[in-house]
Amino acid sequence: DQQVKQNSPSLSVQEGRISILNCDYTNSMFDYFLWYKKYPAEGPTFLISISSIKDKNEDGRFTVFLNKSAKHLSLHIVPSQPGDSAVYFCAARPYSSASKIIFGSGTRLSIRP
Amino acid sequence: DTGVSQDPRHKITKRGQNVTFRCDPISEHNRLYWYRQTLGQGPEFLTYFQNEAQLEKSRLLSDRFSAERPKGSFSTLEIQRTEQGDSAMYLCASSLKVGLEDNEQFFGPGTRLTVL
Repeated sequence: DQQVKQNSPSLSVQEGRISILNCDYTNSMFDYFLWYKKYPAEGPTFLISISSIKDKNEDGRFTVFLNKSAKHLSLHIVPSQPGDSAVYFCAARPYSSASKIIFGSGTRLSIRP
Repeated sequence: DTGVSQDPRHKITKRGQNVTFRCDPISEHNRLYWYRQTLGQGPEFLTYFQNEAQLEKSRLLSDRFSAERPKGSFSTLEIQRTEQGDSAMYLCASSLKVGLEDNEQFFGPGTRLTVL
């Protein structure tokens, strides 16, 4: 039972263009959503988050959008840079467990020159 | 280095053997988490501690698995009678909870377990 779904296992984007990573969730009890970035041989690194009471959060080149009615969120990276090449995990936190994070399966982003 | 550290980074064992992993969190963090990640999947929550108290365990944590955080600092995760299905990356994370505010989790590099 996958509560957080990332349906695109990989994405290739040209340097300088916008990268859009998508994520869907099924559980209406999630109150907080996060994106993590992971390089090979390292643990995931927190990137950006959004509370369920908001629909947008921006941090530099990274913006997360939340559409609660569609149970969908997306991460926009603009402009994309070579160092953005990594695996990106969408994650969510349920009301019932303030510390438990449920991750999606990840999307591998490749930025090509 | 003041990040989360895990030891060992790699462990190869034979089926049926016991293994133990260690996690050292960021020093001022009071919460510590264990996750498991298999190939092509995201990390799956196993358990977490606040100080020395184990507050939640996933149903993924069978009775062959036990985790401790005896002094509220480092933690160990032991797997008894390992099975090939236990092969995975075991990730540790820590965070600082202050009042009602639970801050972001910082992850260690993980311990990769291979059960032959």
